[in-house]
Formats: sequence, structure tokens, C-alpha cells
Amino acid sequence: GQQLNQSPQSMFIQEGEDVSMNCTSSSIFNTWLWYKQDPGEGPVLLIALYKAGELTSNGRLTAQFGITRKDSFLNISASIPSDVGIYFCAGREAGSSNTGKLIFGQGTTLQVKP
Amino acid sequence: DAMVIQNPRYQVTQFGKPVTLSCSQTLNHNVMYWYQQKSSQAPKLLFHYYDKDFNNEADTPDNFQSRRPNTSFCFLDIRSPGLGDAAMYLCATRDPPGEQYFGPGTRLTVT
Repeated sequence: GQQLNQSPQSMFIQEGEDVSMNCTSSSIFNTWLWYKQDPGEGPVLLIALYKAGELTSNGRLTAQFGITRKDSFLNISASIPSDVGIYFCAGREAGSSNTGKLIFGQGTTLQVKP
Repeated sequence: DAMVIQNPRYQVTQFGKPVTLSCSQTLNHNVMYWYQQKSSQAPKLLFHYYDKDFNNEADTPDNFQSRRPNTSFCFLDIRSPGLGDAAMYLCATRDPPGEQYFGPGTRLTVT
């Protein structure tokens, strides 16, 4: 099935550094979501985006819905140790609005060195 | 607090022995999903219910079945677990047009 191309696959950074990750798709989405998953837990929704060009913040996190509707990025500013985890992008095509079916990226594993 | 609950959090079963995983929700959401997630991979949708309407993904093996007896509960039945079915199983709920809200998952080990 369709997959999103998420990069980078992993990141190992120093505490206090900024982080950026992105997702691209071959098809147009009308929704982009960013989830964080801690080890042994379910994904938690961080940010939801619904309009091309939309830029939304949640604390130190900022995400944007690309104007082509085929990409999105997530930035984390001033990283802290609890930012460690796997970040997944997920997109929804217009035809899946009723079912809510999501297409997930492969995930970005973030490690933060204190 | 309203939430999605998955029981048990850890389940060990023997090769070929049927196993049932449980998901319950206090959110009163119409839609419930079951995902399989293997290590370092994205969640993979197995099926979902929109109210009582069951929707199976085309590539979900017949070995996986689901039941939703009421709005609050949804079960995942694995009829004959194989070693390849060892994974984290995630339940999620949704109240359209809202987004999917995930439970904590059940880690299944097959011995």
C-alpha cells in the first residue's frame, strides 16, 4: 500500500539543539498529523494540520502543511531529554475522510544526549 | 478520565493457541481501529469498525478476526498465532471529524 517517505530515519542530538524532520507523499493529502510514540506505549497526537500552508505550534513543536499538500515538516526547538521517542507523520487522503484511515510514515527515532 | 484501555498490556501465547486481545473506551467514539506494529515499524491497519460496520483491510490475514459487541468494546482474535504475529497491537478510536486516539497497546509474544 501507499507509504509516506519520512526522514531522517533516526537522529542523535545534544540537549538544547533544534530538530527538524519531514514527510513527503506521492499523493495529495487533506490532513497531516504528527504523533509521538514512547517505548512500549501507543502513539500520542502532537499536532494536526488541515490546510495547505498551515503552520501550527504546540509548545516547542511547530509543524507545517506543505503548500503542494504532499509534504509536511515538524520542528522541535531546544530539545530536552523527554523528547526522546519515535515521531510518526501520518496523512489522510480526501477520500478517507469518513473512515479516518491514515497512512503512516516509517518514523523518526530521536535520541537526546543530556 | 475518558480513555482507551487495552488489556492485557502483555500477553504470551503458544504457537497455534487462539488468543483474544481486548480494547475498551469510555470516549463513546463511533470508530474503533486495530493496528499491528512490529519493532521499529509504522502501525499497520488491520481493520476498523464504524459503529457496527466492519471494514477489513485487503491484506489482513484470515487468521485475524474482530468483534465489536457494543460501542465500548472491541476484540481482536488471533485464531492460530504464528511466530510472525508477535508484535504490539494497538487499538484506536475516533469520533469523526476528530482524529484517532490510541490506546497503550498490548505486546504479544508467541512461544
